[in-house]
Amino acid sequence: AQSVTQPDIHITVSEGASLELRCNYSYGATPYLFWYVQSPGQGLQLLLKYFSGDTLVQGIKGFEAEFKRSQSSFNLRKPSVHWSDAAEYFCASGKAAGNKLTFGGGTRVLVKP
Amino acid sequence: DAGVIQSPRHEVTEMGQEVTLRCKPISGHNSLFWYRQTMMRGLELLIYFNNNVPIDDSGMPEDRFSAKMPNASFSTLKIQPSEPRDSAVYFCASSQGTSGGDTQYFGPGTRLTVL
Repeated sequence: AQSVTQPDIHITVSEGASLELRCNYSYGATPYLFWYVQSPGQGLQLLLKYFSGDTLVQGIKGFEAEFKRSQSSFNLRKPSVHWSDAAEYFCASGKAAGNKLTFGGGTRVLVKP
Repeated sequence: DAGVIQSPRHEVTEMGQEVTLRCKPISGHNSLFWYRQTMMRGLELLIYFNNNVPIDDSGMPEDRFSAKMPNASFSTLKIQPSEPRDSAVYFCASSQGTSGGDTQYFGPGTRLTVL
């Protein structure tokens, strides 16, 4: 069965510092991979997605993610965090057959001034 | 486009009452998803539709929950009778295609409180 793991439940980072959120997936073939962000009281918004090709994917709001097949990982990064990046981040994977997404448990990011 | 529209945004009801949540997907989208989010269980897929047809309802907790999609522009999720453990935020999402690679666009959610 497909599964997505986000090992870090909470991360606290200082404004201006770099951020990396971890995501590991379990699936035999290369899955479709997504990162979503959820601000307090809001729905989920897509940051970026990976299908194939270049393993470094650029997204909105200055985020990027790197697909590493050997590590079954799709980690999200941002070089310099802004206070507005405080939110919960979800990694998700999908398969070609069927459009059901499997979500990780989420990582809540707190930004210190 | 207005995005995915959900109503109501907040619902407070008493145990035993019927609750109906509504969703209008993005125009032209062929797939619609209902999710539930709680602190304890995170984000759970309840059911999804492709071209108005329910494809997978294995996430529906029990017979008290039902979902319909009578046309391409409207879906409902009904809980009857409601229980306090149904308190959660319910999200509707839609996507253009029927592949796992299609981006799902989420609505703002309905926060349900069952007293």
